[in-house]
Amino acid sequence: GAVVSQHPSWVICKSGTSVKIECRSLDFQATTMFWYRQFPKQSLMLMATSNEGSKATYEQGVEKDKFLINHASLTLSTLTVTSAHPEDSSFYICSAWDREGETQYFGPGTRLLVL
Amino acid sequence: EDQVTQSPEALRLQEGESSSLNCSYTVSGLRGLFWYRQDPGKGPEFLFTLYSAGEEKEKERLKATLTKKESFLHITAPKPEDSATYLCAVQGGSNYKLTFGKGTLLTVNP
Repeated sequence: GAVVSQHPSWVICKSGTSVKIECRSLDFQATTMFWYRQFPKQSLMLMATSNEGSKATYEQGVEKDKFLINHASLTLSTLTVTSAHPEDSSFYICSAWDREGETQYFGPGTRLLVL
Repeated sequence: EDQVTQSPEALRLQEGESSSLNCSYTVSGLRGLFWYRQDPGKGPEFLFTLYSAGEEKEKERLKATLTKKESFLHITAPKPEDSATYLCAVQGGSNYKLTFGKGTLLTVNP
C-alpha cells in the first residue's frame, strides 16, 4: 500500500508557542489530504480537508486561525497549531487520498503535548 | 448526514475463536466502505474497500462483506496479534471525506 509520513512523531512545547506538523505522501501524489484529531479511546475527528493549491475546508467548530493548514505541493501538507495551549494536547493524524487506488492512507500520527 | 455505527464496542475472544464485527451505515450515494485497523498510538492501517452490495474481500484471517445497510468483518481463527481497534468508514457524495464509526476494540487472548 501507499505510504504517508508525518513529522515529528511527537512534540512537547510550552504554552503560547506554535507547532508545525508535516504530512507527506511518499509514493503517490495527493491533491487532497485530511487532518484528524484523536482523543484517548475515541475515534477520529476530522478537522479539515486540505486541497493542493487552494484554501482548506474546515469542519464546524474548528478554528481556522488556530489550526493553519497549507497544501503547497502534491506531496506535502502542513498543520500549524498557533499559540498552543494545554487543551490542544492530542494525537494529530493526517491522511492522503490516493486517486489511483481510490483509498485514503493514513500517516503514523503526531502526539502533541503542550505544557 | 452520513452515519456509521459499529458494534460491539469491545470484543474479547480466545485464540482460534472466530467472530464478526458489525458496521451499520446510512449514506447518501455510497462511493465506498472502508475498513481500517488501528494499533494504540499509531495511525489507522488500511485493510479493505468495498464498493457495492454483495462484494467480499479477504486478507489472511479477515474477510469483509457488504450489504446495502451494513458490512461485516469476519475474523477466522484469530491470533493475539489481531488485537487492535477496527474502524469502519463510509464515503458518500461527491467528495473524498470519510465518516468513521467509533470502532470495535478487539482483544484476542492466547
